[in-house]
Order: sequence, then C-alpha cells, then structure tokens
Amino acid sequence: DQQVKQNSPSLSVQEGRISILNCDYTNSMFDYFLWYKKYPAEGPTFLISISSIKDKNEDGRFTVFLNKSAKHLSLHIVPSQPGDSAVYFCAASSTSGTYKYIFGTGTRLKVLA
Amino acid sequence: EPEVTQTPSHQVTQMGQEVILRCVPISNHLYFYWYRQILGQKVEFLVSFYNNEISEKSEIFDDQFSVERPDGSNFTLKIRSTKLEDSAMYFCASSKLQGAGQPQHFGDGTRLSIL
Repeated sequence: DQQVKQNSPSLSVQEGRISILNCDYTNSMFDYFLWYKKYPAEGPTFLISISSIKDKNEDGRFTVFLNKSAKHLSLHIVPSQPGDSAVYFCAASSTSGTYKYIFGTGTRLKVLA
Repeated sequence: EPEVTQTPSHQVTQMGQEVILRCVPISNHLYFYWYRQILGQKVEFLVSFYNNEISEKSEIFDDQFSVERPDGSNFTLKIRSTKLEDSAMYFCASSKLQGAGQPQHFGDGTRLSIL
C-alpha cells in the first residue's frame, strides 16, 4: 500500500538555504494534506496543512505547494535552520471518509550549520 | 499548549500477555485515533473513535485489539495475547473536529517491546 510516497529518505541542506521536501500520492480521493515533523523519541508534530481547493499555503518559514494534476505536494522551508533537522512526514486524508491519515515513509532532513 | 499524553513511554511484555496502552487526549477534542510505527516503517493507521464508538479500523486492528474510553479523559488501546510482531511505537492522536483545518495532534508514543 504505497498511496503516499516520499522518495527521498534523506536530505542535507546548508543553514540559511531552502529545504524542499517532496511527496507524491496516488489516491485521487485525497483532498487534505499535512506535513508533520518528528524528532527522535517524540511523536509527530503538526507543521502545516493544505486543502485540495488551494495550491499553496504559507505559515512563516514553511510553505506547502499542491499540484493536484501531478498528485504532488512539496514543503519548502526558508531559511532552513539547524533546529529544523528532523524527519518530515507527509500525510493525506479524504474528507469524505473518516479522516484517517495515510503517511509517507518520511524524509530525514539535516540542516548543516 | 495542550498536549496528548501517553503512558507508559516504554512497555516490555512477554509474548502472549495482555497489554494496555494509555492516552489522555487534549481535553476539548472529540475524535481519537491510534497509529503504530514498526521500526523502520511508516506510521500506520489502526483505529478511529468518536462518540464512544469505533468509526473506522484498519486491517491491522483485528480481534486481538480493542479500544475504550473508560472515563472522560482516558483513551486506551488493549492488545490481547501479544505477538512478537506487535513490537512497535504506538501513537495516540486526537482532533477537535474532523475536516480540513482540523489536524490530528499526536502524543509522544509508547514503545512496546514484546519478548
């Protein structure tokens, strides 16, 4: 069951530069997408979300872009900071269902000082 | 900021034993969830719960599993007759409502180790 895919298991970025994390999905019923950040020994922390009626949502340094035709979303972090180093999960949900989240496998981001 | 709290943080249990994982969701939240993450794998949905009923359960959530909201604050996951493959991180989550703009908030998880 690979409905949500994060094809890059890891990413290294210099402090101050842009981090771009990517996520692809296959289920066209998904209409709500989220990004979570996870530190070791902690639970996923909600970062930002986007509904399928939008193609962009911005919150401070974090911006999520949604390309419905390509079934692709991305998270941009600008500027990247060392404290952003964590595993980032994208998740997708169908608002016509019970809102269970389908998670990707995660991308480990390392921001180098 | 309100948090979802889970206890214990680590549970070690002999195979075949029953285990209860406990969660205190955020107080004004109405929807509750359990997810698990086997080491090195993705976070997987187990069950959702609303109004004292299971809303949806995954294929993983078989008769070995049950959930309960025994009082106004706790939400528990019981695993009967545990198996080695039940070893995983178990995350509880809650949300105020369901829908776009109502993200689920996760606890820090219980690491379950079956020996």
